[in-house]
Amino acid sequence: SQQGEEDPQALSIQEGENATMNCSYKTSINNLQWYRQNSGRGLVHLILIRSNEREKHSGRLRVTLDTSKKSSSLLITASRAADTASYFCATVNSGGSNYKLTFGKGTLLTVNP
Amino acid sequence: DVKVTQSSRYLVKRTGEKVFLECVQDMDHENMFWYRQDPGLGLRLIYFSYDVKMKEKGDIPEGYSVSREKKERFSLILESASTNQTSMYLCASSPALATGELFFGEGSRLTVL
Repeated sequence: SQQGEEDPQALSIQEGENATMNCSYKTSINNLQWYRQNSGRGLVHLILIRSNEREKHSGRLRVTLDTSKKSSSLLITASRAADTASYFCATVNSGGSNYKLTFGKGTLLTVNP
Repeated sequence: DVKVTQSSRYLVKRTGEKVFLECVQDMDHENMFWYRQDPGLGLRLIYFSYDVKMKEKGDIPEGYSVSREKKERFSLILESASTNQTSMYLCASSPALATGELFFGEGSRLTVL
């Protein structure tokens, strides 16, 4: 199964509400990243949180990481219609010459005006 | 701003044709990646390269090859296209494997008839 799995698969909210997406993973990681993808476009990096960090903020984004539960959450506050997109978590596992970055299947967020 | 440019946004090819997907990045990144993205399957790594002329297989390399003759350019080759290779192909680059974010191109949507 996927290293990173997002939950829920789809989320529909009203403009101004907060949106929370979760990501669970199975093995140890170096860092966890969140990306956004507008329909039919490439992915855009949002935020990276290292394995020794617990929380990180960037503008309206707040990411938490709980390594004991192997989970992360992405909170988007005061959502806007322009936040409508798919959101992916990606886990990085790297050691020696080995490197693996694995994406989850994504959460489709719809923000209704 | 980092720019990753994929040569074609949309391609239509016939079964058995040889297909080249080109990707160029302008930020002198060491690492480049090719992913394919399919509904319900998320992003899957085909190949990545950490240096000129160096390549590593990803999760689904079968049916694909790659070429990295210059640092800025990473090509994906389908020697004999098949209908199950119809997909969105995403190229990305990164300055550092273990700690770096990925910068994605806009994607190339390939249809094999």
